[in-house]
Amino acid sequence: NAGVMQNPRHLVRRRGQEARLRCSPMKGHSHVYWYRQLPEEGLKFMVYLQKENIIDESGMPKERFSAEFPKEGPSILRIQQVVRGDSAAYFCASSPGTAVPEAFFGQGTRLTVV
Amino acid sequence: AQSVTQLDSHVSVSEGTPVLLRCNYSSSYSPSLFWYVQHPNKGLQLLLKYTSAATLVKGINGFEAEFKKSETSFHLTKPSAHMSDAAEYFCVVSDGNAGNNRKLIWGLGTSLAVNP
Repeated sequence: NAGVMQNPRHLVRRRGQEARLRCSPMKGHSHVYWYRQLPEEGLKFMVYLQKENIIDESGMPKERFSAEFPKEGPSILRIQQVVRGDSAAYFCASSPGTAVPEAFFGQGTRLTVV
Repeated sequence: AQSVTQLDSHVSVSEGTPVLLRCNYSSSYSPSLFWYVQHPNKGLQLLLKYTSAATLVKGINGFEAEFKKSETSFHLTKPSAHMSDAAEYFCVVSDGNAGNNRKLIWGLGTSLAVNP
């Protein structure tokens, strides 16, 4: 059973371009969380999704950021018109949705905006 | 609202000596508490979790943590540090009420250095 898979591991974008980050949850997991880690900070919750539904996007910036978790395929975090401040590590986690919200994390995507 | 405070941003110990990483939390509900470790350029690994069962929780690599409700603390300890323990450690709380809207609240992390 493969763990949570994120790709790419490293992504470099120029200001104004789009960044697409992918996350394949663990097999059997239907809950996906996205977190952002800025330099020397803890992780900050961005969005919580279940298949085809956004459950909680209270941590996601209102503009330029969007997330989806389609019925088939990976979850996608999309950042349009990236700016230098978007440079961070983006972590995806998945859980089976049991009573204990134990989440399994991917290795993260490190986004650098130049 | 729930929150997590890691009381030390950096801890330095000598190899073979005890490790104590401190964490206090606030929560409106009965919390679930976790410690995660992040090695350089690696992903996040779950060390241990507390979920309202035994208050002393044992995790991987010899780590353990004790949930103290009266002190709202969940400190992480290890009797004897190893060089490979050098990493960033995060205390995490989740107190989502029944239902689907749960998320993890992260401390800012404690960087553990182990000196030979």
